[in-house]
Amino acid sequence: AQSVTQPDIHITVSEGASLELRCNYSYGATPYLFWYVQSPGQGLQLLLKYFSGDTLVQGIKGFEAEFKRSQSSFNLRKPSVHWSDAAEYFCAVDTGGGADGLTFGKGTHLIIQP
Amino acid sequence: NAGVTQTPKFQVLKTGQSMTLQCAQDMNHEYMSWYRQDPGMGLRLIHYSVGAGITDQGEVPNGYNVSRSTTEDFPLRLLSAAPSQTSVYFCASSRDRGVNTEAFFGQGTRLTVV
Repeated sequence: AQSVTQPDIHITVSEGASLELRCNYSYGATPYLFWYVQSPGQGLQLLLKYFSGDTLVQGIKGFEAEFKRSQSSFNLRKPSVHWSDAAEYFCAVDTGGGADGLTFGKGTHLIIQP
Repeated sequence: NAGVTQTPKFQVLKTGQSMTLQCAQDMNHEYMSWYRQDPGMGLRLIHYSVGAGITDQGEVPNGYNVSRSTTEDFPLRLLSAAPSQTSVYFCASSRDRGVNTEAFFGQGTRLTVV
């Protein structure tokens, strides 16, 4: 069965510093990978997705992620964080596509220090 | 364009009470699903539907019922609420499954069972 591991429950970063959130997945076939963000009291917003092709994908809000098949990883990065990036971030793998096929990691809570 | 709409946003129930969480989408999506989000657990799939009249169980279906009488609506019913069902519930929809399919999420319903 597929699984997603986000090793960091909480991460604290200073405003303006760079960010990397880790995500490792377990899935036998080529995965479809996603990063979602949940701002306080809000729903889930898709940041970016990987289906195939270029392993470095660009998303919204200045985020990017790199798919590394050899490491089964899909880490999320941002060169300079803003206070508004404080949120919960979820990595997900999609085994069949669509609203019912997502397996989520447990999330990483990002705290931004002034 | 409302997307996925969930009502209510907040609800407090007593143990044993019943209620229905509403989910509606206006994108004519065939696939709809319900997830629950618990601290440190990420999101877990409760039930899903691949079209009107068709539903199936996800990872954590016990204590919940669903039906899909129309393409637009996918209500989630708690017949006898239990404290273990205290959670944040998200409804999602997608056009189909497969490559380049994106799931759209509602804003969530925060349910507390006392």
